[in-house]
Amino acid sequence: DQQVKQNSPSLSVQEGRISILNCDYTNSMFDYFLWYKKYPAEGPTFLISISSIKDKNEDGRFTVFLNKSAKHLSLHIVPSQPGDSAVYFCAASEGRDDKIIFGKGTRLHILP
Amino acid sequence: EAQVTQNPRYLITVTGKKLTVTCSQNMNHEYMSWYRQDPGLGLRQIYYSMNVEVTDKGDVPEGYKVSRKEKRNFPLILESPSPNQTSLYFCASSLFTSGTTYEQYFGPGTRLTVT
Repeated sequence: DQQVKQNSPSLSVQEGRISILNCDYTNSMFDYFLWYKKYPAEGPTFLISISSIKDKNEDGRFTVFLNKSAKHLSLHIVPSQPGDSAVYFCAASEGRDDKIIFGKGTRLHILP
Repeated sequence: EAQVTQNPRYLITVTGKKLTVTCSQNMNHEYMSWYRQDPGLGLRQIYYSMNVEVTDKGDVPEGYKVSRKEKRNFPLILESPSPNQTSLYFCASSLFTSGTTYEQYFGPGTRLTVT
């Protein structure tokens, strides 16, 4: 059973527009959520995270929104840039000392 | 430079021949972890360690062993590799903070092929 789901395998967005990547989870005990970005032939790099005590966290062009009642989080990238083309992984954990569950990833294409 | 290193980066081996993939970090991180990435399955955690001599199973631990004798090193051991362990492996580390997040730093990956 997949506990963290990224239902869109890919997404194409025009440069300069907003990219919205979605993630759903099933485990109500998750209390840390993270987004990672991955380029081909490289390891994932951390982007942004959010704790379950918050519903929004911003870092520059990246904002993560958490809707606990819907068990849904989303990553907003504004404005989208060509360098944002990558695979984005959503991840969740029940706590700092627990295993981390990743989604399958969403490939984002930024179109010129 | 702060980094996570993995060796080897590429490895082709045969079924049943024991192998070890090393992982080392120079950031004094407590938490270290191994993942495998497979097409259509994303990243799946194999094992993790919260500190020296403390390890725990992730989602897909079968067929793997780990050890954490020193804080900086976290080797992944395949005692008897099988073709279904052909994958791209990532090691990661992170610092526990007293705040609300922990962010993992990933190594460059090890591509393993078992024939």
